[in-house]
Amino acid sequence: SQKIEQNSEALNIQEGKTATLTCNYTNYSPAYLQWYRQDPGRGPVFLLLIRENEKEKRKERLKVTFDTTLKQSLFHITASQPADSATYLCALSGSSNTGKLIFGQGTTLQVKP
Amino acid sequence: DAGVIQSPRHEVTEMGQEVTLRCKPISGHDYLFWYRQTMMRGLELLIYFNNNVPIDDSGMPEDRFSAKMPNASFSTLKIQPSEPRDSAVYFCASSPQNRGGNTEAFFGQGTRLTVV
Repeated sequence: SQKIEQNSEALNIQEGKTATLTCNYTNYSPAYLQWYRQDPGRGPVFLLLIRENEKEKRKERLKVTFDTTLKQSLFHITASQPADSATYLCALSGSSNTGKLIFGQGTTLQVKP
Repeated sequence: DAGVIQSPRHEVTEMGQEVTLRCKPISGHDYLFWYRQTMMRGLELLIYFNNNVPIDDSGMPEDRFSAKMPNASFSTLKIQPSEPRDSAVYFCASSPQNRGGNTEAFFGQGTRLTVV
């Protein structure tokens, strides 16, 4: 069955450092991969989308890579700030003909001042 | 637009009672998703609709769960009878139709359901 794995252990880093989160998947060939941020008591909020034919995407301090051979995406936050502390979820979807969107369990990031 | 609106925000009910969760998607969005989130299982897709038609309900845990979308601006998720293990946060999300590229999902604030 399809499986998405994110590091279940919380990631603790110092302010100003780069945070790197991992998303691995099996038994799936997604056409798109998305990253969301979720704060306590709130719904997930979209951050970035990357297509299967794209290797890397950037948005301000965020960078996402997508390696379809390794079946892995890396999510980087550079110059991290305490306000970046949240849970980050990766999500996969198939071709443009199917809107089905499935999520990993998320990794909690804690940025310490 | 006010975003995806869910009601109620919190629901506490007794085991065996019927529970109905409601969702108003963003106007113009063609996809609507129902998810359930727990600490143990994370965010699970229960069912999703495209243009008000259920496309995939393979995530619905049991026959006790049912979902409807009578029109483009309203959907319900019903649990009957409810059980304590149904306690979770239920999210509704909507997304615009793909136009040559997958697009993001917009989530509501969720309904925290507690079945005692």
